[in-house]
Amino acid sequence: QKEVEQNSGPLSVPEGAIASLNCTYSDRGSQSFFWYRQYSGKSPELIMFIYSNGDKEDGRFTAQLNKASQYVSLLIRDSQPSDSATYLCAVNEGGGADGLTFGKGTHLIIQP
Amino acid sequence: EPEVTQTPSHQVTQMGQEVILRCVPISNHLYFYWYRQILGQKVEFLVSFYNNEISEKSEIFDDQFSVERPDGSNFTLKIRSTKLEDSAMYFCASSEVSGGNTGELFFGEGSRLTVL
Repeated sequence: QKEVEQNSGPLSVPEGAIASLNCTYSDRGSQSFFWYRQYSGKSPELIMFIYSNGDKEDGRFTAQLNKASQYVSLLIRDSQPSDSATYLCAVNEGGGADGLTFGKGTHLIIQP
Repeated sequence: EPEVTQTPSHQVTQMGQEVILRCVPISNHLYFYWYRQILGQKVEFLVSFYNNEISEKSEIFDDQFSVERPDGSNFTLKIRSTKLEDSAMYFCASSEVSGGNTGELFFGEGSRLTVL
């Protein structure tokens, strides 16, 4: 059974600081890794995806992947109150129309 | 900007009744998905659909569920005999290429199903 684990939080971070979100996954066959943001009562929206070990940067966001440790993280630099949301980690084995396995999400609160 | 649209936004039904949730994916997308999220729980994959057939389905997607693309635009999820535990937000999603490869799933705003 594929499992994706996240600390549910809430994680409280001061405005302007770096928010660090972590995720572990159980399926060593996982190929693709995603971070989605979900505001309360809304649908998930994709922030970033990563396939290769290492870091991937996009604006204020950096995704980090370590397949040996089965660990994915998301760093948010210069956190803004609008970043307050639940961040969902999702993985899948890649290829075809595979469904994503989501974690339960980490609730992030950016304090002004 | 193109978007995935879902109807109804909220449906209340009695246990045992049939429900059809409708989705209009983004027009040039080829892959379609249904996910659900029980209140306070994680988003769960139900089914993926490509080339007019189911590509993958989860354990949740049992015989009471079915999907259909009755015409060139709509993608529907039918729940034949609803149970209390079917109460959830149901998200439709679509992607231009395999969602598993790019992760670029575009989600609709969801249909909240309440089973009484």
